Amino acid sequence: GAVVSQHPSRVICKSGTSVKIECRSLDFQATTMFWYRQFPKQSLMLMATSNEGSKATYEQGVEKDKFLINHASLTLSTLTVTSAHPEDSSFYICSARKDRIYEQYFGPGTRLTVT
Amino acid sequence: DAKTTQPPSMDCAEGRAANLPCNHSTISGNEYVYWYRQIHSQGPQYIIHGLKNNETNEMASLIITEDRKSSTLILPHATLRDTAVYYCIVSGGYQKVTFGTGTKLQVIP
Repeated sequence: GAVVSQHPSRVICKSGTSVKIECRSLDFQATTMFWYRQFPKQSLMLMATSNEGSKATYEQGVEKDKFLINHASLTLSTLTVTSAHPEDSSFYICSARKDRIYEQYFGPGTRLTVT
Repeated sequence: DAKTTQPPSMDCAEGRAANLPCNHSTISGNEYVYWYRQIHSQGPQYIIHGLKNNETNEMASLIITEDRKSSTLILPHATLRDTAVYYCIVSGGYQKVTFGTGTKLQVIP
């Protein structure tokens, strides 16, 4: 158990457009989901934490109006990159945590390329 | 900022035990030690976590020193598929997980 999926796995979009990334917990209910970004040869950087039904908490330096996070159900969170620019090109990874369980389970990641 | 210190890289011969150290000298009483790993271009994978007792599961063993200021992740029989970046993380229960730079483990045939 504890499988997390992401869709799409890869996406290429043009500068100025928006792109939505989905994160789903397939076999458990995730009370909390996290979004990370990872640039080449760097570690994961936490962008935001979202709890089902409430607003996401963004890390310092992450623009909440640019990276829209919605956690509408216990199995789905979405990250929308609005008005994407080439510098937003990165590997975006979500993770989910079950209620009363400390460890996080990560999705396979989404590679975003903005041209 | 990450609260842990790990060597940037290590090599291990295939079939031998891989021992990955981690220092977390500022760990507080309610914080756990977690280990995750990330194989190239994939999402991280949870390995194991512990509070103060040693822990073992089907993937690895976690040895935590008595003062809890350091720990060691042990992969008993490393295989080529264990080549990855291993992250040691300190976090208090439901707190967010912040990744440091990790240890790049290369398993050598």
